Amino acid sequence: QSALTQPASVSGSPGQSITISCTGTSSDVGSYNLVSWYQQHPGKAPKLMIYEVSKRPSGVSNRFSGSKSGNTASLTISGLQAEDEADYYCCSYAGSLVFGGGTKLTVL
Amino acid sequence: QLQLQESGPGLVKPSETLSLTCTVSGGSISSSSYYWGWIRQPPGKGLEWIGSIYYSGSTYYNPSLKSRVTISVDTSKNQFSLKLSSVTAADTAVYYCARLFYDIIDYWGQGTLVTVSS
Repeated sequence: QSALTQPASVSGSPGQSITISCTGTSSDVGSYNLVSWYQQHPGKAPKLMIYEVSKRPSGVSNRFSGSKSGNTASLTISGLQAEDEADYYCCSYAGSLVFGGGTKLTVL
Repeated sequence: QLQLQESGPGLVKPSETLSLTCTVSGGSISSSSYYWGWIRQPPGKGLEWIGSIYYSGSTYYNPSLKSRVTISVDTSKNQFSLKLSSVTAADTAVYYCARLFYDIIDYWGQGTLVTVSS
């Protein structure tokens, strides 16, 4: 199983919205509504931000939203804040779990 | 509040076996519907799922690591463990233990760095 494809980096200014894509295949992202997103600050463990494509765990800001079209899932962060600067990873079920390569979000 | 804590050697020699234990507190490892797993992250790189176990002992492994991985559970100690054999420098990583609700990783340990070097 190959890693999901994410852009290496994205950036945005405070208050703006950004979208991070996660491209897989018809065997993973395209087959299951089981895509999750994790936020990781430097030196910290990842944190669950979105599960089952678009659901938010309790305590996660509604500025974070997820969607999926075909073999590509997306994470959108609206109203960017400085604390959103982190690495973001998508993850899909594909018989086993496969992660994306990660995207570094820079808040300018 | 559920907490997970990894423990084990921080340095392992090439060709030897990496062994880590995760101690779960604030909840029972025997809770139904939850799996317990290991994820690793090489320095400066992305995340890789290693495998998961149910309290009954059913295991699920990453196909790329399956031949070298063993995950076991000790419900009496509320712990689960990872063994990775025949390690090389490519196995140097931060190893996280975690709780999974099927495919959702909802609790993570703080992670422990394991370096493979002679």
